[in-house]
Amino acid sequence: GDSVTQMEGPVTLSEEAFLTINCTYTATGYPSLFWYVQYPGEGLQLLLKATKADDKGSNKGFEATYRKETTSFHLEKGSVQVSDSAVYFCALSDRTYKYIFGTGTRLKVLA
Amino acid sequence: EAGVAQSPRYKIIEKRQSVAFWCNPISGHATLYWYQQILGQGPKLLIQFQNNGVVDDSQLPKDRFSAERLKGVDSTLKIQPAKLEDSAVYLCASSLPRQESYGYTFGSGTRLTVV
Repeated sequence: GDSVTQMEGPVTLSEEAFLTINCTYTATGYPSLFWYVQYPGEGLQLLLKATKADDKGSNKGFEATYRKETTSFHLEKGSVQVSDSAVYFCALSDRTYKYIFGTGTRLKVLA
Repeated sequence: EAGVAQSPRYKIIEKRQSVAFWCNPISGHATLYWYQQILGQGPKLLIQFQNNGVVDDSQLPKDRFSAERLKGVDSTLKIQPAKLEDSAVYLCASSLPRQESYGYTFGSGTRLTVV
């Protein structure tokens, strides 16, 4: 069945460092891909999305490109801030619109 | 616009007791989902509604979990009887029909602890 694999955390970075969180997927067909962020004590918030191959999603300085050839959707940010500390979830949406989430990657940014 | 409302925020119960969670989706969102998020894991879909009809409940443990969505708006998720392994955050999400590929809106969740 469909699945999402993302790098294990926690990831600890200094402020202004470059961030990459890897995400790969297995799916039949052409899923939509998402990154969600979960701040402490809050629900999941949509960070960015891409609905077809080669699309680039971007928001708040974060970017991810839908790579069909490598079945990947890695999250990147050029300069992280302390306020980016959260858990990041990669997810895919299949043709029935069900989401399949990865296990989440905790990011901790130190001042 | 108002977000997805869930209550209660926290609940502690003893095993074998019953518990119910409530969700009010964004106005006009016909599609509603309940997800279970166990600590350290990604959310897992329990049930999906389209208006007041069930679209998918294949991963709902029907011997103890039930859900309903009367009048196609609010929804309740019930666990009876609860087990220790039901300790998790229960997330409700909603979306417009045919807009699911553009993302859901999640509520803040209900954190359930079964002792």
